[in-house]
Amino acid sequence: AQSVTQPDIHITVSEGASLELRCNYSYGATPYLFWYVQSPGQGLQLLLKYFSGDTLVQGIKGFEAEFKRSQSSFNLRKPSVHWSDAAEYFCAVVGSGAGSYQLTFGKGTKLSVIP
Amino acid sequence: DGGITQSPKYLFRKEGQNVTLSCEQNLNHDAMYWYRQDPGQGLRLIYYSQIVNDFQKGDIAEGYSVSREKKESFPLTVTSAQKNPTAFYLCASSTREGVATEAFFGQGTRLTVV
Repeated sequence: AQSVTQPDIHITVSEGASLELRCNYSYGATPYLFWYVQSPGQGLQLLLKYFSGDTLVQGIKGFEAEFKRSQSSFNLRKPSVHWSDAAEYFCAVVGSGAGSYQLTFGKGTKLSVIP
Repeated sequence: DGGITQSPKYLFRKEGQNVTLSCEQNLNHDAMYWYRQDPGQGLRLIYYSQIVNDFQKGDIAEGYSVSREKKESFPLTVTSAQKNPTAFYLCASSTREGVATEAFFGQGTRLTVV
């Protein structure tokens, strides 16, 4: 079974600083990987996804993530954080086998931004 | 606009009562999902359905029931058997094209047992 670990429960950065949120996954074959963002009391919005090809993927709102198979990681990055980026971020994985439709989520990383 | 609509946004229930959460989508997606979210726990899968009239239990199905009579609708019933039903519930949908694709989420329903 697949699993996702987000080691950081809460991260605080200053506005304008760079950001990296960590995600490690466990899955036997090539996974499909996602990053979602959630504002308080809201649903989840997809930031970016990795299915295959280029291991550096670009997403919305200036986010990018890099798939590193050797490290089983899919870390999310942003060069300069804005106050509006304060939210909770979830990494998720889906198995690539037939009939694999279930997203498995990490427990999330809450991002606080200091003005 | 296409999307997923969950209703109501807030729901209060007395202990011992069943309650049904609504989820409707107009994205023409075959697959639909229900997740439960608790602080610090991420999202946990309750039930999912890949096609009309078929659904499967997820990781925490005990105390919940679902139906999938129409492609657009996937209501979730929280029964009195659910020991700790207070939580934020999220519905999602996705296409079903052989392999997984991204899921689209509703805005959630916050259920509180009083």
